[in-house]
Amino acid sequence: EAGVTQFPSHSVIEKGQTVTLRCDPISGHDNLYWYRRVMGKEIKFLLHFVKESKQDESGMPNNRFLAERTGGTYSTLKVQPAELEDSGVYFCASSQVAGVGGELFFGEGSRLTVL
Amino acid sequence: GQQLNQSPQSMFIQEGEDVSMNCTSSSIFNTWLWYKQDPGEGPVLLIALYKAGELTSNGRLTAQFGITRKDSFLNISASIPSDVGIYFCAGQAGARQLTFGSGTQLTVLP
Repeated sequence: EAGVTQFPSHSVIEKGQTVTLRCDPISGHDNLYWYRRVMGKEIKFLLHFVKESKQDESGMPNNRFLAERTGGTYSTLKVQPAELEDSGVYFCASSQVAGVGGELFFGEGSRLTVL
Repeated sequence: GQQLNQSPQSMFIQEGEDVSMNCTSSSIFNTWLWYKQDPGEGPVLLIALYKAGELTSNGRLTAQFGITRKDSFLNISASIPSDVGIYFCAGQAGARQLTFGSGTQLTVLP
């Protein structure tokens, strides 16, 4: 069974440009999460989808970030316009069950470098 | 918001040595989790703890959920080269999202 896949694995863009990250969760997982790790710091929650609905987007930094999950399958996270502080590794995770007991399966991450 | 203080930030140990790392918080958590991130991979769940005082093992790994519910530790015994990676603690309070620590980078020297 395929795990969580993310694309691209690494993106280098200039400040002001746009980047779109994609995540394909494990098939059948209704719960999809986006996290971000800025270098050396903690992994921070961004948002949580249940199917195509945003269950919790309390971690989204600002309105330059837009996440979508049309059809409840794959998800995209767009950063527009990118700023230097957006650099980091963006992880996607999925789970069958949300909350306690629902194991998160992480993708390899998309490393974003904003110059 | 909730924060976890994870220490140490990095460790260099000799193969065969035991390792200990911990996480503390000013907040109470109902669940503590330990993840490992191998180089170039995403974090993978190692151990989950659901009850205060719980001590759980997974092979050479042992983790405990602190009695106060504000801390947890992870021990690795007889380290081997494949133990290299970043170890993250994570806590969950109620229905809230997971709060992660900043990670412990472990290097095992031959």
